[in-house]
Amino acid sequence: EDQVTQSPEALRLQEGESSSLNCSYTVSGLRGLFWYRQDPGKGPEFLFTLYSAGEEKEKERLKATLTKKESFLHITAPKPEDSATYLCAVPGYSSASKIIFGSGTRLSIRP
Amino acid sequence: NAGVTQTPKFQVLKTGQSMTLQCAQDMNHNSMYWYRQDPGMGLRLIYYSASEGTTDKGEVPNGYNVSRLNKREFSLRLESAAPSQTSVYFCASATGVSNQPQHFGDGTRLSIL
Repeated sequence: EDQVTQSPEALRLQEGESSSLNCSYTVSGLRGLFWYRQDPGKGPEFLFTLYSAGEEKEKERLKATLTKKESFLHITAPKPEDSATYLCAVPGYSSASKIIFGSGTRLSIRP
Repeated sequence: NAGVTQTPKFQVLKTGQSMTLQCAQDMNHNSMYWYRQDPGMGLRLIYYSASEGTTDKGEVPNGYNVSRLNKREFSLRLESAAPSQTSVYFCASATGVSNQPQHFGDGTRLSIL
């Protein structure tokens, strides 16, 4: 069964304290892995797509990496405005139209 | 840059009432989706439309119906609302190519009393 698991569920960091969020997946024939950011009261906002193991994408203080079993979202020197829930997702094997989402990591950055 | 637009943003219903949630996208996407998001449950797929003229059930379709009105619009209907349907509902759209991401609206917050 296709599955996406994110850890930790919640993470509190001090401003400037770097860390990583984890997304592990089990799906046959990975077609891509997506990272989203969701702010309270808003819909998920697309950040990155990673297509193959070894690939990396960067945006400001965020860097996403991909291995054959998991992806990491590295946050370098975060600021309070980086506080949000981060979701990862993969297209399902049984139906390419369906995307399987993890339950997210709720990130809080204290000033 | 409208993207995906959902209406209404908030709604309160009484048990047994019906209503339709509207969604429209202006990105010429083929596929559209309805999700609900509940605390601790993540995003759960209710129904999706892979292309205009087709609809399919997702993970939690019971109590809902959908209509793909045209390529731009995809509506979700609650025929007889129940308190268990209190949730935040998100519409999303995508090109329909499997390795392309979905793009989301900002949701409809629905309370059933």
